[in-house]
Amino acid sequence: SQQGEEDPQALSIQEGENATMNCSYKTSINNLQWYRQNSGRGLVHLILIRSNEREKHSGRLRVTLDTSKKSSSLLITASRAADTASYFCATDPTMEYGNKLVFGAGTILRVKS
Amino acid sequence: DVKVTQSSRYLVKRTGEKVFLECVQDMDHENMFWYRQDPGLGLRLIYFSYDVKMKEKGDIPEGYSVSREKKERFSLILESASTNQTSMYLCASRRTSGRVDTQYFGPGTRLTVL
Repeated sequence: SQQGEEDPQALSIQEGENATMNCSYKTSINNLQWYRQNSGRGLVHLILIRSNEREKHSGRLRVTLDTSKKSSSLLITASRAADTASYFCATDPTMEYGNKLVFGAGTILRVKS
Repeated sequence: DVKVTQSSRYLVKRTGEKVFLECVQDMDHENMFWYRQDPGLGLRLIYFSYDVKMKEKGDIPEGYSVSREKKERFSLILESASTNQTSMYLCASRRTSGRVDTQYFGPGTRLTVL
């Protein structure tokens, strides 16, 4: 079952621009996480936001969470060519057995230099 | 530094072969997961394990089995490989006790079944 739905599916921007990706989900959650995947590699955790938090920052990353709308956004500021990757949101549902995260299909980000 | 390793980065097998994918984590995590990743479909959970010798089916367990004899090792088995199992396979682990937070992934195994 896929809960997180990322939007857009693909995004192409120029270096230096900001990139915004959105994630929507369906059930109540403990937290929401964003992961990054470089081509052909495993996923790397970027940032986690808990259900009682509304905004979180980490370097050039800014994540917001709106539990009333069941949505989150990831903003990458001043993008670089090295940010080119796929980005996935993952939800930690409150009622899910077995500590399973639920991943979306991802947003492919391409940053042109 | 935490680490999840997978036995192979690339693997080519023939239809009908039995295939073993191995995953080892060094973080003493209770939970371990096997996913497959296909273009446009995201990550789909095949099986997971929350303790030694325990296993639970994920969303797409058909054609797969798993083994967890030791806490650090979680194996995915394709009993009789088929071409529709050509995919990227990702292993992950996650702690249960205390704060349950991030999931750590291995580098992936790209399996091709001919």
